[in-house]
Amino acid sequence: DSGVTQTPKHLITATGQRVTLRCSPRSGDLSVYWYQQSLDQGLQFLIQYYNGEERAKGNILERFSAQQFPDLHSELNLSSLELGDSALYFCASTLAEGIGSGNTIYFGEGSWLTVV
Amino acid sequence: DAKTTQPPSMDCAEGRAANLPCNHSTISGNEYVYWYRQIHSQGPQYIIHGLKNNETNEMASLIITEDRKSSTLILPHATLRDTAVYYCIVRAYGNNRLAFGKGNQVVVIP
Repeated sequence: DSGVTQTPKHLITATGQRVTLRCSPRSGDLSVYWYQQSLDQGLQFLIQYYNGEERAKGNILERFSAQQFPDLHSELNLSSLELGDSALYFCASTLAEGIGSGNTIYFGEGSWLTVV
Repeated sequence: DAKTTQPPSMDCAEGRAANLPCNHSTISGNEYVYWYRQIHSQGPQYIIHGLKNNETNEMASLIITEDRKSSTLILPHATLRDTAVYYCIVRAYGNNRLAFGKGNQVVVIP
């Protein structure tokens, strides 16, 4: 158990809909990362937040957005869903802003999103 | 940031040591080497990381060459539960995030 909690574990929704994925980081961790993993692509970095502020953006679509709340939990919002958005979405957390100093990033078990 | 090169797949015998190689010839002096693994569709699991010195924890050992251009992850006694994709990652490009490549699909054979 990494200590990173993600909900829901599984979600099935229709095209055009909007969903929200939730992440609770490990106790004390200030930085949250979101990753997407689809069948034909590896783990793709989406976005990073540190203490409530956006720090880095990766391959995140404009239809997707995220935020980190004062209690440090984070939500990933996916809207106007398409079939190709079906994927595993992982949240990860770490104590500090970056890993350059050796801080370790721990991952949750992911949220399976199926768009039909 | 430095890229890593791993074999796409390898088999290991159960109960034997598994030696997983990784090349990172362009690594810079302040970049760490991280190892993660992902057991089918589970969240990536941290294994170990190092900078210069060899490291050991309850899961594995990490051997980094003196010139830091390559490293080896050693699973001392491979079990069937060690079957996974193993990722060797050098500190990611950009803003301190982990960049995952294709990894090494390791299959432990009875």
